[in-house]
Amino acid sequence: QKEVEQNSGPLSVPEGAIASLNCTYSDRGSQSFFWYRQYSGKSPELIMFIYSNGDKEDGRFTAQLNKASQYVSLLIRDSQPSDSATYLCAVKPGNYGQNFVFGPGTRLSVLP
Amino acid sequence: EAGVAQSPRYKIIEKRQSVAFWCNPISGHATLYWYQQILGQGPKLLIQFQNNGVVDDSQLPKDRFSAERLKGVDSTLKIQPAKLEDSAVYLCASRQPGQGETQYFGPGTRLLVL
Repeated sequence: QKEVEQNSGPLSVPEGAIASLNCTYSDRGSQSFFWYRQYSGKSPELIMFIYSNGDKEDGRFTAQLNKASQYVSLLIRDSQPSDSATYLCAVKPGNYGQNFVFGPGTRLSVLP
Repeated sequence: EAGVAQSPRYKIIEKRQSVAFWCNPISGHATLYWYQQILGQGPKLLIQFQNNGVVDDSQLPKDRFSAERLKGVDSTLKIQPAKLEDSAVYLCASRQPGQGETQYFGPGTRLLVL
């Protein structure tokens, strides 16, 4: 069973701080990694995806991937109260045709 | 461009009753997914369609769940009979192969089984 693990939180950070969200996965052959944001009562929406080791930046968001450690993270700079949501890590295993496996999500609370 | 549409948005039924959910994907998206999201958990894939064919239904409880996408566009997910543990949000998502891995989710149907 391929697993994706996240700290369920809640993770509380003050407004303006950096929020760091972490995700580990069990399938070493995984190729694609995604971060989704889900507001309470809403559907998930894609924030970023990353395929290669290293960092990928998009505005206030940075995804970091370390395949050797089977670890992917999402950094949110200058956190805003509107960033308060659950962040879901999704991993696509390496085998062709295998679908996403979602982690349980980390609930982030940005305090004004 | 219209997003993924789902109905109904909310449904309350008693255990052992049946229920059906409907999904209309983004126009032109060949791949359609149904997920189950239990409160406090991430979405779990139930079934994936490519056009009107099933690609992956390995996690679909086939003794009570069924799904179809007869014309390769709209899809229906049915539960019969429902159990208490089926209480969850049922999310439909779609994707266009060849345009990356991004899945676009609908608003979901929130099911409560009493």
